[in-house]
Amino acid sequence: AQSVTQLGSHVSVSEGALVLLRCNYSSSVPPYLFWYVQYPNQGLQLLLKYTSAATLVKGINGFEAEFKKSETSFHLTKPSAHMSDAAEYFCAVSLPTGNQFYFGTGTSLTVIP
Amino acid sequence: GAGVSQSPSNKVTEKGKDVELRCDPISGHTALYWYRQSLGQGLEFLIYFQGNSAPDKSGLPSDRFSAERTGGSVSTLTIQRTQQEDSAVYLCASSLLAGGGVDTQYFGPGTRLTVL
Repeated sequence: AQSVTQLGSHVSVSEGALVLLRCNYSSSVPPYLFWYVQYPNQGLQLLLKYTSAATLVKGINGFEAEFKKSETSFHLTKPSAHMSDAAEYFCAVSLPTGNQFYFGTGTSLTVIP
Repeated sequence: GAGVSQSPSNKVTEKGKDVELRCDPISGHTALYWYRQSLGQGLEFLIYFQGNSAPDKSGLPSDRFSAERTGGSVSTLTIQRTQQEDSAVYLCASSLLAGGGVDTQYFGPGTRLTVL
């Protein structure tokens, strides 16, 4: 079975500090991995996705994530947090076959001025 | 261009009433998904459409929940005899291709359902 675990339901960082949001997955086959962001009262928006090409994936708004098979992780990072990064972030996994996406429970990011 | 739209944006209903939630996907998108987002929970998969058919209904929580899609476009999620535990944000997403895998999902803003 597939599952996604996001450690830390709430993360606070100072403006300008490193953002690190953790995501671990379990999958019986090599998965595809996604990070989505949800701003207040909006739908989810794709930040980036891993599709078995480069293990370091760059997304929008300066975010990137690295696929580490040995650690079954796909952590999201940004070198310098901005106030506009405050939002809910969701990690998701899907399989090359099938039609389900499995989402984590989300991490709420607060940026402190 | 137009994204995924959902209506209503907010719905307050009384326990026991039926509700219908609507999703208009991006034009030309083959796949359509419904999710439920409860406070403190992740996104819970409800149902997936490929065209007008629903090959995967495994996520529907009970027989009070049903969904249909017509013309390969608009979808309606119906909840009969609503219960307080049905209160949540219901999100719809569409993707260009049929099926999951690598395809990006585009999400609507959701319908916030409150059952009193």
